[in-house]
Amino acid sequence: AQSVAQPEDQVNVAEGNPLTVKCTYSVSGNPYLFWYVQYPNRGLQFLLKYITGDNLVKGSYGFEAEFNKSQTSFHLKKPSALVSDSALYFCAVRALAELSFGAGTTVTVRA
Amino acid sequence: KAGVTQTPRYLIKTRGQQVTLSCSPISGHRSVSWYQQTPGQGLQFLFEYFSETQRNKGNFPGRFSGRQFSNSRSEMNVSTLELGDSALYLCASSEGGRTDTQYFGPGTRLTVL
Repeated sequence: AQSVAQPEDQVNVAEGNPLTVKCTYSVSGNPYLFWYVQYPNRGLQFLLKYITGDNLVKGSYGFEAEFNKSQTSFHLKKPSALVSDSALYFCAVRALAELSFGAGTTVTVRA
Repeated sequence: KAGVTQTPRYLIKTRGQQVTLSCSPISGHRSVSWYQQTPGQGLQFLFEYFSETQRNKGNFPGRFSGRQFSNSRSEMNVSTLELGDSALYLCASSEGGRTDTQYFGPGTRLTVL
């Protein structure tokens, strides 16, 4: 079985401040972890993924994520948030079968 | 390369009708997965097709079915529509490996009246 938890429904930050979106996972076996972003009335856009190797993964639009095996976490981070980063963010895990998504975190960046 | 395309983008149906949604994957991708997105249930996996064969299936009733053609294009069909089937249906394509990134289309917004 595999599952993903995004403990925060909403994250609010001021523009220019660091942004963190939390994700924890549960899988049997090695996890393959992904982050996606969704803007209103759009499909999901891929940001980054962790497969193996370096625990710090860099992705699109200045985002990065840190894989922590002991804490089973894969938090998404951006050093300096932009108003345009306001969107719905999904963490996903795939171990054996299909991609399983978390419930999503709505990020609002205020000017 | 062109991205994943889905048609139609919007659809309105009434209860009891059936509907067919179409997905054209990125050129060269052999895997197509379908997801249902609703405010209450979030993103739920429907099924995955790879080289014209259903490889994985989610926990949905038999009213939901799909197929994939030799050119990797995929269709999903929902029969005997219910109000609860109103959702955004997303398809995603990838090269097919477990570590490969899935790229999503814009979705089809289905409204059942």
